[in-house]
Amino acid sequence: KQEVTQIPAALSVPEGENLVLNCSFTDSAIYNLQWFRQDPGKGLTSLLLIQSSQREQTSGRLNASLDKSSGRSTLYIAASQPGDSATYLCAVLRGSNYQLIWGAGTKLIIKP
Amino acid sequence: NAGVTQTPKFQVLKTGQSMTLQCAQDMNHNSMYWYRQDPGMGLRLIYYSASEGTTDKGEVPNGYNVSRLNKREFSLRLESAAPSQTSVYFCASTETAFLAGNTIYFGEGSWLTVV
Repeated sequence: KQEVTQIPAALSVPEGENLVLNCSFTDSAIYNLQWFRQDPGKGLTSLLLIQSSQREQTSGRLNASLDKSSGRSTLYIAASQPGDSATYLCAVLRGSNYQLIWGAGTKLIIKP
Repeated sequence: NAGVTQTPKFQVLKTGQSMTLQCAQDMNHNSMYWYRQDPGMGLRLIYYSASEGTTDKGEVPNGYNVSRLNKREFSLRLESAAPSQTSVYFCASTETAFLAGNTIYFGEGSWLTVV
């Protein structure tokens, strides 16, 4: 059974720091992995999608990497800003059906 | 520019009552989904509709029913609410099924409390 884990559950860093969020999964047979952002009281917004054949994707100050063999993905945020404060979730797509398997998220607080 | 719209945003129910969560998308997407999100857990898929006219069970379908009313609308019904169904519910849509790697769009969520 595929399980997705995000550690830590919460992270607080000063503004301007570069930081890394972690996502691990137990079954390497994935179709893709996605990172999402969730603001309080809001829905989720897709940030980056990495296909299983890819190693990384970049969007602005965000860079996501994927290592299927070790069952790990990281989301790198450069030069963090208070506006980056949110919960970040990762999810993997199982190739056999339409189900995304989700991590519980990392709540990120960027202190001004 | 609405995207995915869910109603109601907040609802309190008594145990045993029924209610329907409404969802509509204006992006002409084929696939729609209902998730629930509980504290400390990842989102869990309740039901999905890969295309108009079809619905399938997800990971946690018990206690729920769905209707794909048309291409735009996908409703979730709780027939006899239980405290275990207290959660935040999210509707989502994609242009086609996940395997195409499409971006998934979410509504803003519906906070449901069953007392």
